[in-house]
Amino acid sequence: NFMLTQPHSVSESPGKTVTISCTRSSGSIASNYVQWYQQRPGSSPTTVIFDDNRRPSGVPDRFSGSIDSSSNSASLTISGLKTEDEADYYCRSYDSNNPWVFGGGTKLTVL
Amino acid sequence: EVQLVESGGGLVKPGGSLRLSCAASGFTFRNAWLIWVRQAPGMGLEWVGRVKSKTDGGTIDYAAPVKGRFTISRDDSKNTLYLQMNSLKTEDTAVYFCVIVYYSVPYWGQGTLVTVSS
Repeated sequence: NFMLTQPHSVSESPGKTVTISCTRSSGSIASNYVQWYQQRPGSSPTTVIFDDNRRPSGVPDRFSGSIDSSSNSASLTISGLKTEDEADYYCRSYDSNNPWVFGGGTKLTVL
Repeated sequence: EVQLVESGGGLVKPGGSLRLSCAASGFTFRNAWLIWVRQAPGMGLEWVGRVKSKTDGGTIDYAAPVKGRFTISRDDSKNTLYLQMNSLKTEDTAVYFCVIVYYSVPYWGQGTLVTVSS
């Protein structure tokens, strides 16, 4: 089984850009798509990135996803930070034996 | 619009049983792969299990912590997903979400809280 490791927390000021990493412990990050979910306090998760770098309809283009094979990690970048972006963010990927593997989550504080 | 509405959560004693339901609309239910995910209080997301569409074999897979105790089923005539939970333990306390992946995008329900306590 592989693991996805995220930083526990990140913080940044409004208007700035923040990047959250998601490192895969084994197997190639590029072999299986990565998704990113946003979970605001008291709410259910919503998808902000799917298929590594695609945004669902309605998600602003301030959100972007990328893959870096050299570090075997995925990243979620949020530009032009707003207070409403304050939330927990989870990455997720899979392989043939593990259909749904989540990262531990990253708490984003916009201060 | 994809909509998922979970129900059936509540307070149950250790060793007890509970059945959760997830009523779905806004997509072709019979073609969807359906997933249960849970989140313990203050914790991260944990995959519980999934059921494939019948056209893809209808295979059901479970996470190790629930295998043998939980049963996932689907009723395509009612557009409803179920999670039968038996031999519940205190560590099963969590909000349970149903999830579908529609055109590659995961959609989440609002969740239902299950509390296992004496």
